[in-house]
Amino acid sequence: DAGVIQSPRHEVTEMGQEVTLRCKPISGHDYLFWYRQTMMRGLELLIYFNNNVPIDDSGMPEDRFSAKMPNASFSTLKIQPSEPRDSAVYFCASSSTGGGGGNTIYFGEGSWLTVV
Amino acid sequence: DQQVKQNSPSLSVQEGRISILNCDYTNSMFDYFLWYKKYPAEGPTFLISISSIKDKNEDGRFTVFLNKSAKHLSLHIVPSQPGDSAVYFCAASFTGTASKLTFGTGTRLQVTL
Repeated sequence: DAGVIQSPRHEVTEMGQEVTLRCKPISGHDYLFWYRQTMMRGLELLIYFNNNVPIDDSGMPEDRFSAKMPNASFSTLKIQPSEPRDSAVYFCASSSTGGGGGNTIYFGEGSWLTVV
Repeated sequence: DQQVKQNSPSLSVQEGRISILNCDYTNSMFDYFLWYKKYPAEGPTFLISISSIKDKNEDGRFTVFLNKSAKHLSLHIVPSQPGDSAVYFCAASFTGTASKLTFGTGTRLQVTL
């Protein structure tokens, strides 16, 4: 079975440019999570969706960040305009029951973003 | 404010010895705890979990211990193997809700020959 699929795997962009990261969750999963990994803060939850509806976006750092989930099989995380401090690894994850109560969430391989 | 803390960014252990990775949390409402393992260029994968009604959970070479009064948990790997070299993330959540996992900053374990 295919896992969570993210694209691009690597992105290098100039400051000020728009960046769009894409995610295809595991089929049948109704929760989708966007995480960001940095050395200082580890894995931070940015936003999560349930049945394509954003439930908690309190982790989105600024208005420059936005996320959408137009259907059950696709989500995007957009940064506009991008800044060097946005450089990080962005993970998408999905789950069939949410992340609480010990229910396992499954991560993609990540999108490595470098903003120069 | 980090609600889940892993104060040791790295740990080096000899093959065959015990690896002990530590994690502290501040929110007493957390009642379910997990460990994820991450290899370079891959996403984190679930390793082991424990509910707050237990103080120990064992799965093969991996054991997680929970001390609720100290708000502390630890992951023991015995015996350690070179393939265990990875970054280990501690995570916490609330049961009963389809809620998010709060992760620590990770500990990089290196198992040497």
